[in-house]
Amino acid sequence: DGGITQSPKYLFRKEGQNVTLSCEQNLNHDAMYWYRQDPGQGLRLIYYSQIVNDFQKGDIAEGYSVSREKKESFPLTVTSAQKNPTAFYLCASSSGQGLEQYFGPGTRLTVT
Amino acid sequence: DAKTTQPPSMDCAEGRAANLPCNHSTISGNEYVYWYRQIHSQGPQYIIHGLKNNETNEMASLIITEDRKSSTLILPHATLRDTAVYYCIVRVTGANSKLTFGKGITLSVRP
Repeated sequence: DGGITQSPKYLFRKEGQNVTLSCEQNLNHDAMYWYRQDPGQGLRLIYYSQIVNDFQKGDIAEGYSVSREKKESFPLTVTSAQKNPTAFYLCASSSGQGLEQYFGPGTRLTVT
Repeated sequence: DAKTTQPPSMDCAEGRAANLPCNHSTISGNEYVYWYRQIHSQGPQYIIHGLKNNETNEMASLIITEDRKSSTLILPHATLRDTAVYYCIVRVTGANSKLTFGKGITLSVRP
């Protein structure tokens, strides 16, 4: 089955620790995205990548980092510099010329 | 990208049509109207999109007014599983495929 996988579904970390969220897609999509969602709010774009080895900051990139070494993978690192890291994180992908974004199931990160 | 306005919530009876409105009065000529939905604690799901003609797929119909300042997503026979937050988004196409999600409209389907 084609799709986007995110792991783990739930993640718990202590404050001050970096944590990396996984996102893998087998849709052969060129573009990948990371969003953050807080309770009762819409999604906000963190980073996006339109092609391997290239990525751009979204609206709320501070405290986050990404890499795009492979077409199918776009991991997100939440660093200790992110002041409010507890949130629901969603990864998405789209084809280069396509209009729709396809989302993974999300990772719920809790930092205490 | 143009801004959209949606009511915060609405409900409908199971089996009836659900008509979800969206205002986008500042939409420009090259902006498409997209609809996504998000079931609780899941990732958003693409539903449908259109430019100016009405569109229909297996999930829903999209009706766009002639002046393109508003649109309606129609779920013809709502089921309990259609309970979700529905997002109306307008955006241009092109290399920068950013989607800007507002708070959406919460649809509650009652038995």
